[in-house]
Amino acid sequence: AQSVAQPEDQVNVAEGNPLTVKCTYSVSGNPYLFWYVQYPNRGLQFLLKYITGDNLVKGSYGFEAEFNKSQTSFHLKKPSALVSDSALYFCATAGNMLTFGGGTRLMVKP
Amino acid sequence: NAGVTQTPKFRILKIGQSMTLQCAQDMNHNYMYWYRQDPGMGLKLIYYSVGAGITDKGEVPNGYNVSRSTTEDFPLRLELAAPSQTSVYFCASSYSPPFDRVKNSPLHFGNGTRLTVT
Repeated sequence: AQSVAQPEDQVNVAEGNPLTVKCTYSVSGNPYLFWYVQYPNRGLQFLLKYITGDNLVKGSYGFEAEFNKSQTSFHLKKPSALVSDSALYFCATAGNMLTFGGGTRLMVKP
Repeated sequence: NAGVTQTPKFRILKIGQSMTLQCAQDMNHNYMYWYRQDPGMGLKLIYYSVGAGITDKGEVPNGYNVSRSTTEDFPLRLELAAPSQTSVYFCASSYSPPFDRVKNSPLHFGNGTRLTVT
């Protein structure tokens, strides 16, 4: 079965500092991985995806994700955090359907 | 362009009552999904549909039913509400299935329905 895990319930970072939100995966075959973001009282919005190729994937709002096959990880990164980045972030993998991780709340403080 | 529209936004039900959560999309997407979101649990797939007239169970279908008579609409029915169904429900749609790496279209989500069963 395909699955992803997000080991941190919450990540706190100061505005202007780099941020990392962690995700590890367990899939058979070549992984197909996603990051989605959820702002308060809204549905999820697509950020970026990894299909194959470059290990660094660039997405919306300045976010990027690093795919690491040896560590089975797909961490979300941003070089300089903004207060407006504060939200709930979900990692996901596609088997027959999308399977989501439990989510990580990112808090960026001014 | 409305995208995915869910109604109502909030609802409180008594145990044993029934209700229908409405979902409509105006993007002509064939694929539609219902998820529930519980704190710390991510999103769990309840039902999905690959086109009008075709539906299938997801990970947590018990206590729910769906129908898909048109491409646009995908209502979710709760027949006998139970406290365990207290959750936030999200409807989503996509042009192609999630596993399609060629078309690789993302899911578009509605803003959710917050349901409380007491």
